[in-house]
Amino acid sequence: ETGVTQTPRHLVMGMTNKKSLKCEQHLGHNAMYWYKQSAKKPLELMFVYSLEERVENNSVPSRFSPECPNSSHLFLHLHTLQPEDSALYLCASSQGTGKNTEAFFGQGTRLTVV
Amino acid sequence: KQEVTQIPAALSVPEGENLVLNCSFTDSAIYNLQWFRQDPGKGLTSLLLIQSSQREQTSGRLNASLDKSSGRSTLYIAASQPGDSATYLCAGLNSGGSNYKLTFGKGTLLTVNP
Repeated sequence: ETGVTQTPRHLVMGMTNKKSLKCEQHLGHNAMYWYKQSAKKPLELMFVYSLEERVENNSVPSRFSPECPNSSHLFLHLHTLQPEDSALYLCASSQGTGKNTEAFFGQGTRLTVV
Repeated sequence: KQEVTQIPAALSVPEGENLVLNCSFTDSAIYNLQWFRQDPGKGLTSLLLIQSSQREQTSGRLNASLDKSSGRSTLYIAASQPGDSATYLCAGLNSGGSNYKLTFGKGTLLTVNP
């Protein structure tokens, strides 16, 4: 079991639904990330939080809304998604966001939008 | 903008063979390079991290090298086993303004046949 835990592992949702992905890290890190992994594409960075503040938003549509209530928890709130948003969503954490950053990943949430 | 390329996209070898996976990057100003393993539908497991000041790192049957001047990294797997079958991803860390960013390749899908 990794130090980064994501729930749920699988999620199927309709385009009009609202759902949330949860990530929790037990590594004492102070930075957390959301990545999207689509088929045949490299991982795409979505959001970065450092010390509970959002420090990066990589032009992600507003139907994805992150929340970081504390340094151990990260959420991704989803609403009115499109079928092309179906992907594996990965959470990661690191100790800081500097040049010695080493990222640790969760197991991912496989999201299917129908 | 950093671009990371992994060749080959897929590789199939018989058990026991030594093999090399390749990773190239366009921006040599990386601070570190990480190799990850990803099993189907799962998250990323960190294998090795090479700092920019290092030339290689070893862990068990794995050896990763880094040549910044040529923009290349290799992952050497000795005496491959069927359990090594997975997708292997490399990622380079570069400065991205106030934060440092990991840029991923698309990965190499490795199959080790018994």
